[in-house]
Amino acid sequence: AQKVTQAQTEISVVEKEDVTLDCVYETRDTTYYLFWYKQPPSGELVFLIRRNSFDEQNEISGRYSWNFQKSTSSFNFTITASQVVDSAVYFCALSEPFLSGGYNKLIFGAGTRLAVHP
Amino acid sequence: DGGITQSPKYLFRKEGQNVTLSCEQNLNHDAMYWYRQDPGQGLRLIYYSQIVNDFQKGDIAEGYSVSREKKESFPLTVTSAQKNPTAFYLCASKERGDTGELFFGEGSRLTVL
Repeated sequence: AQKVTQAQTEISVVEKEDVTLDCVYETRDTTYYLFWYKQPPSGELVFLIRRNSFDEQNEISGRYSWNFQKSTSSFNFTITASQVVDSAVYFCALSEPFLSGGYNKLIFGAGTRLAVHP
Repeated sequence: DGGITQSPKYLFRKEGQNVTLSCEQNLNHDAMYWYRQDPGQGLRLIYYSQIVNDFQKGDIAEGYSVSREKKESFPLTVTSAQKNPTAFYLCASKERGDTGELFFGEGSRLTVL
């Protein structure tokens, strides 16, 4: 069965600190996609990144970076020089294989609540 | 602006009552989803629909019902059979055949009194 584990329930940092959010996944599929979403206090989930299982290159987008390692089934997310606006709940998700019709559904981790203090 | 609109944002219900949560999208997406969010448990899939007049149960469909009469609308009914309905409900949509991301609404918080 597919599963996503985010072992860190809550993280608290002071502004400008770097912080890494861990994500470990389980799947028997050879083709899959991994995602990170941000959920600010407003409630809406905001897409951050998608990575397919054949692309292990790390990615950097501004202060955000992602480290994908198939050998350890991990897809960790690092925020550099954190800011108060980064305070949110962050979810890691894994796509199941395509259903009939070409759609897939996402399996979410429990989320990590990040609090960045001034 | 394109997006997903959920209503109401907050809803209170007495035990034994059915309640319907609205989800409307103007993104022209074929697929729509309902997720339930509980503290410490992430998001769990209730129902999904890939096309009008068709929908499938997700992982926790018991006590819920849906309909998909129009492409842009996917309402969720929380019935009295749902034993623990207090939760945050999120609707999402996605393009057909796309491996891309889900687009989410802002959610509806249901509290059973």
